[in-house]
Amino acid sequence: EIVLTQSPGTLSLSPGERATLSCRASQSVSSSYLAWYQQKPGQAPRLLIYGASSRATGIPDRFSGSGSGTDFSLTISRLEPEDFAVYYCQLYGSSLFTFGPGTKVDIK
Amino acid sequence: EVQLVQSGAEVKKPGESLRISCKGSGYSFTSYWISWVRQMPGKGLEWMGNIDPSDSYTNYSPSFQGHVTISADKSISTAYLQWSSLKASDTAMYYCARRIAARGYYVMDVWGQGTTVTVSS
Repeated sequence: EIVLTQSPGTLSLSPGERATLSCRASQSVSSSYLAWYQQKPGQAPRLLIYGASSRATGIPDRFSGSGSGTDFSLTISRLEPEDFAVYYCQLYGSSLFTFGPGTKVDIK
Repeated sequence: EVQLVQSGAEVKKPGESLRISCKGSGYSFTSYWISWVRQMPGKGLEWMGNIDPSDSYTNYSPSFQGHVTISADKSISTAYLQWSSLKASDTAMYYCARRIAARGYYVMDVWGQGTTVTVSS
């Protein structure tokens, strides 16, 4: 079973700053199967990135994903007030989905 | 508009049974699998299982296999998640999501609004 870890657990930043979130897999995975979701309080998750680097429909270009093998990252180039949320990476493999524990991006 | 609309909040006692629903609209319901995801209070997301509404094939996370049952009625574009005997530890928000599989990608692109299940004596 592949385990996903995310770091940091919490990222405290100010609007306008750059956020870099990390997702690490316990073994090498196909980047095609790595996705990122955003969840705001009281809301359902929203798909941001699929295939490690492709933005989902309607996602602003300040969100970008990268990585391969075991190390992946989500970057928010300039934080907007609506970007403060929890971010989860997700992996698909062997017909199963696995979520990382999440990174909370909060206002400094 | 593509939507998944879930049934309302439930309050149950331990040992009771429960079935919650997820109705799809705005797309061909049998063309996409439905996933169920649990979120316990203050915690992260946990994938529970999938169903293919076209033939009701299911697969489950090992963590949930045998504890819940996922089903679907394609005639009314609705998927279900059910418990035969609830426990207090089943208290959580439950989301359904549409699973897309395209060009080698497998993700959940549309989500229901969530159903809160509270189990308490």
